[in-house]
Amino acid sequence: NAGVMQNPRHLVRRRGQEARLRCSPMKGHSHVYWYRQLPEEGLKFMVYLQKENIIDESGMPKERFSAEFPKEGPSILRIQQVVRGDSAAYFCASSPDPDYGYTFGSGTRLTVV
Amino acid sequence: DQQVKQNSPSLSVQEGRISILNCDYTNSMFDYFLWYKKYPAEGPTFLISISSIKDKNEDGRFTVFLNKSAKHLSLHIVPSQPGDSAVYFCAASGRRGGATNKLIFGTGTLLAVQP
Repeated sequence: NAGVMQNPRHLVRRRGQEARLRCSPMKGHSHVYWYRQLPEEGLKFMVYLQKENIIDESGMPKERFSAEFPKEGPSILRIQQVVRGDSAAYFCASSPDPDYGYTFGSGTRLTVV
Repeated sequence: DQQVKQNSPSLSVQEGRISILNCDYTNSMFDYFLWYKKYPAEGPTFLISISSIKDKNEDGRFTVFLNKSAKHLSLHIVPSQPGDSAVYFCAASGRRGGATNKLIFGTGTLLAVQP
């Protein structure tokens, strides 16, 4: 049973471009969480999704950021018009149930140049 | 507003000795606490957790202590091994009242276990 798969592992974007980060949860997991870790900081919650639904997006910046978890395929975190301050490690986690602890992926390291 | 604080950015201990990592929180609504371990270029890995109805939970070499009145928890690792060298994150969640299962993380403590 593969773990939480995130791709790409590393992503370099120029300012103003779009970044798309993908997360395939563990098999049987229908709950997905996205976290961001800025340099020298802890992980910060961004959004919690179930299949086709956003449950909690209280940690998402109001502009340029969006997330989806379609019925088929991976969850996508999309950042439009990236800026240097978006450079961070983005981690996805999944769980089979909201009351279960969750498993993290290895992260995508976004660098904006 | 840092609701979960790890005031020691780093800790160095000798192999075989006890490692004690500390964490403080401010939100009395937190009712579940977790410790994660993270190696460079990897995602956090769950280590151990504790519910607010308990004051101690033990799993092998790892023990977590919770002092609710002080809003403080600690992770004890004994004996410490070089493979324990990593960043340790404390995290908290508040599941009462229908809150979603999101975690609030501290900033981490880098543990170095010297052979």
